[in-house]
Amino acid sequence: NAGVMQNPRHLVRRRGQEARLRCSPMKGHSHVYWYRQLPEEGLKFMVYLQKENIIDESGMPKERFSAEFPKEGPSILRIQQVVRGDSAAYFCASSSGTSGAYNEQFFGPGTRLTVL
Amino acid sequence: GDSVTQMEGPVTLSEEAFLTINCTYTATGYPSLFWYVQYPGEGLQLLLKATKADDKGSNKGFEATYRKETTSFHLEKGSVQVSDSAVYFCALTTGTALIFGKGTTLSVSS
Repeated sequence: NAGVMQNPRHLVRRRGQEARLRCSPMKGHSHVYWYRQLPEEGLKFMVYLQKENIIDESGMPKERFSAEFPKEGPSILRIQQVVRGDSAAYFCASSSGTSGAYNEQFFGPGTRLTVL
Repeated sequence: GDSVTQMEGPVTLSEEAFLTINCTYTATGYPSLFWYVQYPGEGLQLLLKATKADDKGSNKGFEATYRKETTSFHLEKGSVQVSDSAVYFCALTTGTALIFGKGTTLSVSS
């Protein structure tokens, strides 16, 4: 019974390159959330997606960052032209979205991005 | 906006000591409250939750009570173990996104 999968677990990029982070939700989950954890900070919400739709992107930086959750395949968080300030741990969570006001979010192990 | 403040760590305890990690919140609505735990190299795991005032969440010997009058959700455990060493996050939600505190590192020695 696989949980939320994220890959890669560690990613090193040079300034100006692109970073692609992948998240496969738990089986049966159709809701995906991305969070970013900067050093010495708590997790900050970035974006909430359902299949083929962005529901809430209020936490996404206005430039260089984008996210998608296609009908088939994993959710992708894409960071273009990375800068050193993008170095962080990026966590994905998924939920079933089928019951109640709050649907428990199950977290993946995270992708640790280092920008040189 | 909504926010969570939790005590800064690290918290260092001996095995079997009593644990308290303070958490207070600010929210415009009626939030649900959570404690998550993060072991080294792993993602966050839900430890316990409470969805309304005076609810007590409990799991694995940990407890926290939703106190609306003091806007608090302090985490407690009567007797910690070495295996409890981890980072603990207090969080709330009033809708979809979780809002986290900065985390408190707990280190338990034998």
